[in-house]
Amino acid sequence: GENVEQHPSTLSVQEGDSAVIKCTYSDSASNYFPWYKQELGKRPQLIIDIRSNVGEKKDQRIAVTLNKTAKHFSLHITETQPEDSAVYFCAAGGYQKVTFGIGTKLQVIP
Amino acid sequence: ETGVTQTPRHLVMGMTNKKSLKCEQHLGHNAMYWYKQSAKKPLELMFVYSLEERVENNSVPSRFSPECPNSSHLFLHLHTLQPEDSALYLCASSQDWGGFNQPQHFGDGTRLSIL
Repeated sequence: GENVEQHPSTLSVQEGDSAVIKCTYSDSASNYFPWYKQELGKRPQLIIDIRSNVGEKKDQRIAVTLNKTAKHFSLHITETQPEDSAVYFCAAGGYQKVTFGIGTKLQVIP
Repeated sequence: ETGVTQTPRHLVMGMTNKKSLKCEQHLGHNAMYWYKQSAKKPLELMFVYSLEERVENNSVPSRFSPECPNSSHLFLHLHTLQPEDSALYLCASSQDWGGFNQPQHFGDGTRLSIL
């Protein structure tokens, strides 16, 4: 069945460095790819999303890239700050279904 | 109050109890969702409602029974649950329903523990 693989499961970076999280999907009908940030004990919050007709999208320190041919998309966080520490999970959505990645726990070390 | 509100935040119940989870959204959205979030597992979609009609039922056991009386309220009725049902139950909403291709706004969730 449809699945979304997300890597790495944990990521530690020094404050100021960049962080990259990658997801690979299998359903070619997927056309919407959001990224959510979930801090400990809090609700998931959408931080950026991309649709299949776009290859890259940027919002300040956050960017997402999509390679439709390879069926993978990535989250890039630059100039990381301690408040970026959280679990990040991706999703691949289409008309009939949505599948989520298992999540990446990002720790930014001051 | 704005956003998506879920009550209760925490719930402990025995396997023979009946309880209900409540979700309310103040965003004027037309679609609402129930998800199950378990440790070390991806988020699992349970139910989707669009304008009070169920549009998706992801092979969820009948001990979970959803209800959507209007586009702002969503309930999840629980009956005879199993220990493996212990998890965080998240409610979400989106502007409209046209498939899973819209941003979703989540509530804080109900942490459910089955004794």
